[in-house]
Parts: sequence; structure tokens; C-alpha cells
Amino acid sequence: EAGVAQSPRYKIIEKRQSVAFWCNPISGHATLYWYQQILGQGPKLLIQFQNNGVVDDSQLPKDRFSAERLKGVDSTLKIQPAKLEDSAVYLCASSLIAGEDQPQHFGDGTRLSIL
Amino acid sequence: SQQGEEDPQALSIQEGENATMNCSYKTSINNLQWYRQNSGRGLVHLILIRSNEREKHSGRLRVTLDTSKKSSSLLITASRAADTASYFCALGGADGLTFGKGTHLIIQP
Repeated sequence: EAGVAQSPRYKIIEKRQSVAFWCNPISGHATLYWYQQILGQGPKLLIQFQNNGVVDDSQLPKDRFSAERLKGVDSTLKIQPAKLEDSAVYLCASSLIAGEDQPQHFGDGTRLSIL
Repeated sequence: SQQGEEDPQALSIQEGENATMNCSYKTSINNLQWYRQNSGRGLVHLILIRSNEREKHSGRLRVTLDTSKKSSSLLITASRAADTASYFCALGGADGLTFGKGTHLIIQP
């Protein structure tokens, strides 16, 4: 089975610019997550989708971050405008169904550097 | 939402030795998962243990859960160079799944 695909792998932008990340989850997985992982820390959930609906976006900085999963498959995460503190790895994960007892399958992430 | 606290933050052992890392938490959980992350890669699910379970095994991995002490441990037996990675515990509860800061394990050849 193909894993979670993410692109790009690396992105370097200047502060105040915008950036977008793309994620293709494992086929058939209804639940999709976006995490932010700052160097030396564990992943922090930004947003969770169930099919194309948002389940939890309580930790998403909505003044600058947005995400969508229009057809319940692929998803994009956007940052506009970027700040220096947004430098991190952005991980996408998927699970077959929702639930805190479900194993999550992660992509290799996009490493974002803000200059 | 609570976050598990892994201990130690870093661990370096010789190949072939056993590695033990711990995760402590403060409030009750429904389950606990352990994940591995190799450098520059995503997290890989290792094992899930539910609150009514005390011990689970998977290959060279053994996970224990002590809900009275609010702690879990991950034991990797007969370590290999490929086990070099960061290991995270993730707490499953009402707020979903939350990850700790991880233990960075280095296996010396």
C-alpha cells in the first residue's frame, strides 16, 4: 500500500510571503491530520479532517493558516503571511477512521525555513 | 490537553544492549501509543496499549502501562544500529492524540 505523500519536501521563503503544502493520504483513509513539529519537539496537531469536514482546528492560527480537503482526499495547508516562528516541519497523517485509538500513518513532511 | 513526558531526553547505548524509555502523564487516558521517527522522516506507529492492558509485545518491543503510576515504558531488546531514532509516546484521550517531546536514542556500533 502506498504511504502518505507530501510535497514539497523542503521550502525556503522570506517572512511575510505565502506558502502552500500538499498531502495525499493513504487510499481509503477517511481521517486526515496536519501537524506542526518544531525542532526538538513532538508533533502538535493543527487541524483534523473527517472526509471533507473539519473535526478539530482549535490549535490552528486562523489569522494566517488555512487548510482544505475539498473532495475528501487530498489536502492543502497554507500559511499567509509567514512569520519566523513558523519555521518547522509540517507533517500530514491519515488514519482509516477517526479516534484517538487509531494508528496514524505519517508522511515524511515538508521542512519550512523562514528567512 | 495534556502531554506525555518522556524520560530520558536522550539515550546512547551499545549495539546489542537493551534500551528502556519511559513516558509519564498526569490525568487519565484511554490508551497510549508509541511512535518512532528516523531523522528527516515521518513518524511510524509501533504499538498501542489500552488503559485496561498492562503489557504488550511486538517483536523486539515490549510496552508496559501502569495506570496507578500514570506511566508507560518502552523496552527495545537486542538493539541494532537501525533503532537509532526518536521515540514518542502519544496519549489518547478526550482531546484526541497528543505527543510528547520524545527520547532520542543513539545505538553505538
